[in-house]
Amino acid sequence: SQQGEEDPQALSIQEGENATMNCSYKTSINNLQWYRQNSGRGLVHLILIRSNEREKHSGRLRVTLDTSKKSSSLLITASRAADTASYFCATHPWTSGSRLTFGEGTQLTVNP
Amino acid sequence: GAGVSQSPRYKVAKRGQDVALRCDPISGHVSLFWYQQALGQGPEFLTYFQNEAQLDKSGLPSDRFFAERPEGSVSTLKIQRTQQEDSAVYLCASSSHRQGGSPLHFGNGTRLTVT
Repeated sequence: SQQGEEDPQALSIQEGENATMNCSYKTSINNLQWYRQNSGRGLVHLILIRSNEREKHSGRLRVTLDTSKKSSSLLITASRAADTASYFCATHPWTSGSRLTFGEGTQLTVNP
Repeated sequence: GAGVSQSPRYKVAKRGQDVALRCDPISGHVSLFWYQQALGQGPEFLTYFQNEAQLDKSGLPSDRFFAERPEGSVSTLKIQRTQQEDSAVYLCASSSHRQGGSPLHFGNGTRLTVT
């Protein structure tokens, strides 16, 4: 079963614009991660934010986490055509052992 | 190689056939996961190994699914008597960490089509 739900399901923007994707989840978590998946490829880890952190940056990526609302957002600034991919949030609930639970993903299209 | 390698890349099986999917994790990675990804969906957990020990197989959908990692490196996911609903991409991922919730390194997956 999916723990996370991403919003929107699909997002289309122009190159240079910012893209924001949201993730909501149901149970208390140890950490939350974001992954990117290009068509026909495996997932690539982007960033991990722990439950005691509120914001984290990595290059053009900014992730926020609000544990009271059980939600996270991923912001990609100054988007490029190469950012076109599906983006998934993955949670590590405290009770799940070692597994990560993935959401359904947001399909991002960046038009040149 | 530097990454997680999966083979075959594509597999077509007739309904009722057995299939075996192989995963070569990153050398030295102790944790290995199998996920199933249906078209347009996120990956769903199948099973987890720490070295050769299968510590969690709660995500395997039926007793037709079996996974092994006998020497703590290469892993094989076997599906017996394949059904059409088994059609999906099977992703393998590994991690150097023992503790749960660590970032995963994924292979490119095996796309299984059952006809």
